[in-house]
Amino acid sequence: GAVVSQHPSWVICKSGTSVKIECRSLDFQATTMFWYRQFPKQSLMLMATSNEGSKATYEQGVEKDKFLINHASLTLSTLTVTSAHPEDSSFYICSARDTSGKNIQYFGAGTRLSVL
Amino acid sequence: EDQVTQSPEALRLQEGESSSLNCSYTVSGLRGLFWYRQDPGKGPEFLFTLYSAGEEKEKERLKATLTKKESFLHITAPKPEDSATYLCAVQASETSGSRLTFGEGTQLTVNP
Repeated sequence: GAVVSQHPSWVICKSGTSVKIECRSLDFQATTMFWYRQFPKQSLMLMATSNEGSKATYEQGVEKDKFLINHASLTLSTLTVTSAHPEDSSFYICSARDTSGKNIQYFGAGTRLSVL
Repeated sequence: EDQVTQSPEALRLQEGESSSLNCSYTVSGLRGLFWYRQDPGKGPEFLFTLYSAGEEKEKERLKATLTKKESFLHITAPKPEDSATYLCAVQASETSGSRLTFGEGTQLTVNP
């Protein structure tokens, strides 16, 4: 099956600093990638849709200046949490949509962010 | 607005005890229904996708079915390693960018 690599898997940072999370599709090209946030015992909440070569589309209530998304190639999208605060602590998961026509999203392993 | 409701929220089974998980959905034209498995602290793992009512997919002890209003994930003779949260998601035909709407999931525990 298709493999999506997400890095880092766990990061701790100080309040006010920025953190970058990478999402790579390893064996397929992904024109569209997605970024989700998941709180404990809850389901996935879509934050934004990342399109290669164009600006990301953010969901209502998600601050685009705080969660910067770059999708510079067909295999890489990055999410940067700028000026992180404790309330940004969460589990962030990316997915990549295959281009075979089946529209299946394959997920990365997730990144646990803890802001002190 | 697309909606997905999964039941039960949690399910405990004994090893070998078969059961079914339910996913009810409301969507403006179904493009696809997806089942994922998620282990604690991990990203969702793709299991099945169903595109039209009447379709069925099988993989080992799992079988997914689809009607116009709901989908079932049948688990036959489950093993402890089947313990996980099972997520259902729908994709609407009118949705651009292939976004998914997820249900809250069913947490399955299989006791040995």
